[in-house]
Amino acid sequence: EVQLVESGGGLVQPGGSLRLSCAASGFTFSSYWMAWVRQAPGKGLEWVAKIRQDGSEKYYVDSVKGRFTISKDNPKNSLYLQMNSLRAEDTAVYYCARILGQGDYVRYWGQGTLVSVSS
Amino acid sequence: DIQMTQSPSTLSAFVGDRVTITCRASQSIASWLAWYQQKPGRAPKLLIYKASSLETGVASRFSGSGSGTEFTLTISSLQPDDFATYYCQQYDSDSATFGQGTKLEIK
Repeated sequence: EVQLVESGGGLVQPGGSLRLSCAASGFTFSSYWMAWVRQAPGKGLEWVAKIRQDGSEKYYVDSVKGRFTISKDNPKNSLYLQMNSLRAEDTAVYYCARILGQGDYVRYWGQGTLVSVSS
Repeated sequence: DIQMTQSPSTLSAFVGDRVTITCRASQSIASWLAWYQQKPGRAPKLLIYKASSLETGVASRFSGSGSGTEFTLTISSLQPDDFATYYCQQYDSDSATFGQGTKLEIK
């Protein structure tokens, strides 16, 4: 059974940093693209970042470029999102997602972790 | 980027009703469209992919149709568990954009 379990969310002040983690199991992690999708309170779904199977390609939504870094540790079956210079508008539930390619739908989602940016 | 527009934004219906949600793409996406259901506090759940392919385990009252720029999600007979927010998503382009969502409420 495919499982994606996020952790690392919490309350942080504007300008601060957080690192989200996603522990994957039930599939060959090294064979899949992975992504982070977020959802601000009461809003819709937004791709944040995507990473190729071997980490050689990474894509970011414009609003997080230069501030967020996606990474993938295949031996540890883990996905990460390093978030720096956080802003109030980054407040959202962040979901880990397994995808087949840069443009793909999501069959498997994590349960989400809440990031709140506030003073 | 390809824009996805859902209508209506909110829909009120009775248990047992047949309902249809529409999703329009700003340019042709062939059949590269998915539909999700999301309940409060939960991750989205994949219902339909490739416009009309029912995901394994999803109830047969859900169906999808369309191609090009116009798509529909139909629930043939609403059940209490179906009241949720529904999103479409195109994956014809790398941006793989989502629609803004349709909230389905109990009348």
